[in-house]
Amino acid sequence: GNSVTQMEGPVTLSEEAFLTINCTYTATGYPSLFWYVQYPGEGLQLLLKATKADDKGSNKGFEATYRKETTSFHLEKGSVQVSDSAVYFCALVDTSYGKLTFGQGTILTVHP
Amino acid sequence: GAGVSQSPSNKVTEKGKDVELRCDPISGHTALYWYRQSLGQGLEFLIYFQGNSAPDKSGLPSDRFSAERTGGSVSTLTIQRTQQEDSAVYLCASSHPDSSYNEQFFGPGTRLTVL
Repeated sequence: GNSVTQMEGPVTLSEEAFLTINCTYTATGYPSLFWYVQYPGEGLQLLLKATKADDKGSNKGFEATYRKETTSFHLEKGSVQVSDSAVYFCALVDTSYGKLTFGQGTILTVHP
Repeated sequence: GAGVSQSPSNKVTEKGKDVELRCDPISGHTALYWYRQSLGQGLEFLIYFQGNSAPDKSGLPSDRFSAERTGGSVSTLTIQRTQQEDSAVYLCASSHPDSSYNEQFFGPGTRLTVL
């Protein structure tokens, strides 16, 4: 079956630091990959996506590249802000099926 | 436009009672999903409706859980004889049939607390 493994948190950074959150996956088909974000008190929001190998998803300064050879989709941001404090979830969907498989989530806290 | 809505936002119930959680998907979205977010289990898939097809119930944790979707729109998740381990945030999501990568839009969730 499909699975997603995320680096365990929590992650605590100072403002303007570089962020990496690792994500690797196992899938039987050719999944699409996502990062979702959940800000305090809010619902899940799609942050970025990549639908095929070597695609790079980007949004709000965050980036992630779909690496089929290493089955990875690591999230990066060059300079984090306090407002980036949230829980980040890596996820995949088998496009022939539809249900999302999520990683465990990584809590990010950014201090001024 | 309006997003996915869920009601109630919070529900506190006593062990053994039945509860109903409601989801209103985005208009025109034919696919509807229920997930559960709990401290111990993370985000888990529960059930999936796609148009008029039979739902995929493979994620329901026990036969106390059931869901229906009336008229291809609103969905209700019912938990019978609630247990304390059912305490979680229940999330609903919907997606448009033309989405090539099944982008799912999530509602704000219903926080269920079983005392």
